This record gives sequence, C-alpha cells and structure tokens, in this order.
Amino acid sequence: GNSVTQMEGPVTLSEEAFLTINCTYTATGYPSLFWYVQYPGEGLQLLLKATKADDKGSNKGFEATYRKETTSFHLEKGSVQVSDSAVYFCALSDLNTGNQFYFGTGTSLTVIP
Amino acid sequence: EPEVTQTPSHQVTQMGQEVILRCVPISNHLYFYWYRQILGQKVEFLVSFYNNEISEKSEIFDDQFSVERPDGSNFTLKIRSTKLEDSAMYFCASSERDRGEETQYFGPGTRLLVL
Repeated sequence: GNSVTQMEGPVTLSEEAFLTINCTYTATGYPSLFWYVQYPGEGLQLLLKATKADDKGSNKGFEATYRKETTSFHLEKGSVQVSDSAVYFCALSDLNTGNQFYFGTGTSLTVIP
Repeated sequence: EPEVTQTPSHQVTQMGQEVILRCVPISNHLYFYWYRQILGQKVEFLVSFYNNEISEKSEIFDDQFSVERPDGSNFTLKIRSTKLEDSAMYFCASSERDRGEETQYFGPGTRLLVL
C-alpha cells in the first residue's frame, strides 16, 4: 500500500543553518509527492510538489527532489529563517489508489535567532 | 487568495453527543475531503465527496460519520455519537480536479476534544 515515513521532530536550528527533513515513501503506482507547511493557527499550505521521478519542486528557498531509486523526497533549505518555524508534512497522492493524500506525521521546526 | 475556512476552530463536547464540523471550500472547487490527525499521529484520510455523493471513504469513516453539502458553499462533517477516540484535529480540503498531481487546499482545522 501507500505510506509516508517522515523524520521525527522536533527540530531546532539556529538562523541561517542548513535544513534537511527526511521523507521516504512506499507506493503501489506512480505517486505525486508534496510538502505542506502549517504555520501556527493556520491550515496546511502547499509548499512544493513534484509529479514524476527526478522532478525538483522548489518554493521560498525550499527544495525537494523526487528520487524514485531511493523512494525519497527530502526537504532542504540552505539558510533557514525564524519565519520558517512551522510544522512540515510530507505527503503523496496516487490516483491509481484514489484521490486521498497519504501524510507523514509532520516535523516541527523551530528556528532560533 | 482564496482559502478554505473551517468553523469552529475548537470544540469541546461530551461523549455521546453529536457534533457538526463546518467547512467552506474554495468556490470553484468540485472535490471535497475530510482528514483528521490524532495528536502525535499521521494525518489520516476520512472521506472524499464529489457531485453530492461520497466518492471514497476510509475504514475510519464508519456509520457514526456523515458528510453533507447542504448548500452551494458549505461542506459538513457530522459525528453522530462522539467517542473519546474521536478527539483529534479535523481538516477539510478541496481541489479543482481529481488528478493525482492535483493540489488539495486545506483549511486551518477544527480541534475536537471529546470528554
């Protein structure tokens, strides 16, 4: 079946540090992969996505590359800011198994000045 | 920018009571979803809804749950007789189409606490 395994948190980094949040997946078909972010008091917002192998999604300095060979979609940012403090969710969607999204548990990131 | 809204933001209820969680999806979207997240666990799919009927549901979505689109804007999730284990954050989402790469847009969630 489909599932997403996400790096456990919480993660605390100093401003300008390098961020990696690991995400691996299992899928029966050809999934699309997503990173969502949830800022305090807000909904899940799409951060970036990739729809096929080797695609790179990017937004707001964040990047993730769809690696079929390692079934991974790790989120990276070269220099985090305090405003990046949020919970990050990795997710997959596979139309072969319906419309639902499969999420990881979420990783809480706190960036300190 | 259009967004999905949900009310209430928090709800506390007694076990056995009925609750209705409300959502207003993005206006031109046709596909609607409910998910939940029990504290410390994954966000789990409950149900998807299209053209005024359920298109998919998970094992969690048993007879205690129902969904409805009572008018042209609202999308509701009803839990008929709440249990302690229904305590969770409930997220509503909507999308324009049902293709696999289609983004689902989520609301801020309703935190439900069943006592």
